[in-house]
Amino acid sequence: GAVVSQHPSRVICKSGTSVKIECRSLDFQATTMFWYRQFPKQSLMLMATSNEGSKATYEQGVEKDKFLINHASLTLSTLTVTSAHPEDSSFYICSARVPYGYTFGSGTRLTVV
Amino acid sequence: GESVGLHLPTLSVQEGDNSIINCAYSNSASDYFIWYKQESGKGPQFIIDIRSNMDKRQGQRVTVLLNKTVKHLSLQIAATQPGDSAVYFCAETAYNQGGKLIFGQGTELSVKP
Repeated sequence: GAVVSQHPSRVICKSGTSVKIECRSLDFQATTMFWYRQFPKQSLMLMATSNEGSKATYEQGVEKDKFLINHASLTLSTLTVTSAHPEDSSFYICSARVPYGYTFGSGTRLTVV
Repeated sequence: GESVGLHLPTLSVQEGDNSIINCAYSNSASDYFIWYKQESGKGPQFIIDIRSNMDKRQGQRVTVLLNKTVKHLSLQIAATQPGDSAVYFCAETAYNQGGKLIFGQGTELSVKP
């Protein structure tokens, strides 16, 4: 089946620094990738949709200058949290659209201290 | 971003009992619905799906019911086991229109041995 590899699984960074999260499709080409954020005891909130070779589409209320998404190839999409602050601490998950549905990365736990 | 950001409701059942988890969806254009199971610190795990041209679908110990009239989805788990303890999310999408996958509120299922 289609597998998305997400790295890192956990990251701790200092306030003000940037963090990059990668999602790679291992055995298929991911034309479309979705990025979600999940706070404790809450649902997955869609942040943005990225399409290979074009600019990402951000959901209302998501700062595109803060959450930079790059989808330069059919096998790699990245989310960079710029100038991270403690309120950005969350669980970030990517998902790729596949012919029969969707497949998810294993998530990244970001802690900003 | 899109989602319901409320805290999770909980459902507590006795081992061996049947569980029913409900979900209301919002988009009448949604044509594909998925139930996911999420364990702590992990990405969503596919359980069962249903398309809008069906009203019931059965899997192994799980059944999904779809009522398009009232935009309601339910997941039934037969003979619930301790390993079923997790958070369950419904998700909807207008898949045939290339739509986004939007998650519902989620329910935390706790199974007592």
